[in-house]
Amino acid sequence: AQSVTQLGSHVSVSEGALVLLRCNYSSSVPPYLFWYVQYPNQGLQLLLKYTSAATLVKGINGFEAEFKKSETSFHLTKPSAHMSDAAEYFCAVSSPSGGSYIPTFGRGTSLIVHP
Amino acid sequence: DGGITQSPKYLFRKEGQNVTLSCEQNLNHDAMYWYRQDPGQGLRLIYYSQIVNDFQKGDIAEGYSVSREKKESFPLTVTSAQKNPTAFYLCASSMPAGASGRRAYEQYFGPGTRLTVT
Repeated sequence: AQSVTQLGSHVSVSEGALVLLRCNYSSSVPPYLFWYVQYPNQGLQLLLKYTSAATLVKGINGFEAEFKKSETSFHLTKPSAHMSDAAEYFCAVSSPSGGSYIPTFGRGTSLIVHP
Repeated sequence: DGGITQSPKYLFRKEGQNVTLSCEQNLNHDAMYWYRQDPGQGLRLIYYSQIVNDFQKGDIAEGYSVSREKKESFPLTVTSAQKNPTAFYLCASSMPAGASGRRAYEQYFGPGTRLTVT
């Protein structure tokens, strides 16, 4: 079985501050991991993905995430927040279940950016 | 321009009526998915299909039905049996596991349909 926990339903930062969104996963085998972003009333868009290559993954819009197997974590970071980063962020894990790799999503973290 | 389209963007229905949500993709993806999104609950899987003429129930399939007669299309019907149908519905597609040697692929999402039932 696989699961994802996103710590904090809301994260608030000032513009220019570090962004850190936390994601911990549970999987019995090495997983594939994803971060998606959702702007209001829109679909999800892929930010970055971990597919067992480099543990530090760089994505779009200056975001990156580090896969830490020992901590079962895949936290999302950005050095300097911008107002346009305000959105909902979802972490997802995909590992084999019954032969399929259907992803499981976390409940999401809403990023609020203050001027 | 490849992508996924969902129509309509907003849909209103009376309680007791069935309603069908459209999802079309031109990405040549084999796998397609339907999710329901409610505030604070993330995305919950309703149905998925990994190949034409085949589909599987997800975590919350009760009160929903789907068909997959064409690779490009995966319509979702919300039936009158669904107890609480008001929600934001998202369709997604992806490459199937095993394509190009990888085991899992990212999903591409449509813009969503917001269904309100009164």
